[in-house]
Amino acid sequence: AQSVTQPDIHITVSEGASLELRCNYSYGATPYLFWYVQSPGQGLQLLLKYFSGDTLVQGIKGFEAEFKRSQSSFNLRKPSVHWSDAAEYFCAVDSGAGSYQLTFGKGTKLSVIP
Amino acid sequence: DAMVIQNPRYQVTQFGKPVTLSCSQTLNHNVMYWYQQKSSQAPKLLFHYYDKDFNNEADTPDNFQSRRPNTSFCFLDIRSPGLGDAAMYLCATSSYSRTGRRQGYTFGSGTRLTVV
Repeated sequence: AQSVTQPDIHITVSEGASLELRCNYSYGATPYLFWYVQSPGQGLQLLLKYFSGDTLVQGIKGFEAEFKRSQSSFNLRKPSVHWSDAAEYFCAVDSGAGSYQLTFGKGTKLSVIP
Repeated sequence: DAMVIQNPRYQVTQFGKPVTLSCSQTLNHNVMYWYQQKSSQAPKLLFHYYDKDFNNEADTPDNFQSRRPNTSFCFLDIRSPGLGDAAMYLCATSSYSRTGRRQGYTFGSGTRLTVV
């Protein structure tokens, strides 16, 4: 069965520090990959997505992610974190095999220290 | 702007009293989804419509039903809400062709359901 793993449940970083959130998936083929951010009590906002092409994807709010097929990973990065980035981050995968649905990781909660 | 709209944002219902949540979209996407998200958990797919075809997840309780009267609207009906059904309910849309060509997913802001 398809699965998405976000190994870090909670990460704390200082404002201005760099950030990397990890995401690994298990599928046979290249899936469609997404990162969403969710503030408390809010819906999901799409940060970026990868369908094909350049493996380094730029998103909103200064985020980027890199697809590495050999590692089955799609890690999210930001060079300098702002206090407003504190939120829950979800990696999600569409297997592209006719499933027509997203499978989510369990999420990583990001806390930012001023 | 094209978007996915969920109403209401907050819903309080009594234990056992049927409740309906609504979702509308202006994206003309052919697939609509309902997700349940409990506190500090990932969204969990309840069911989805591919056009008019209803697809229920195997572990979705019978207490949950859905209707899609047209392309733009989709409803989530909870027949007899229990305390365990308190959650955020997220509606999402996407566009697929039969050949698998797809667009990304767009989520609504969610409806937070409280059961008292």
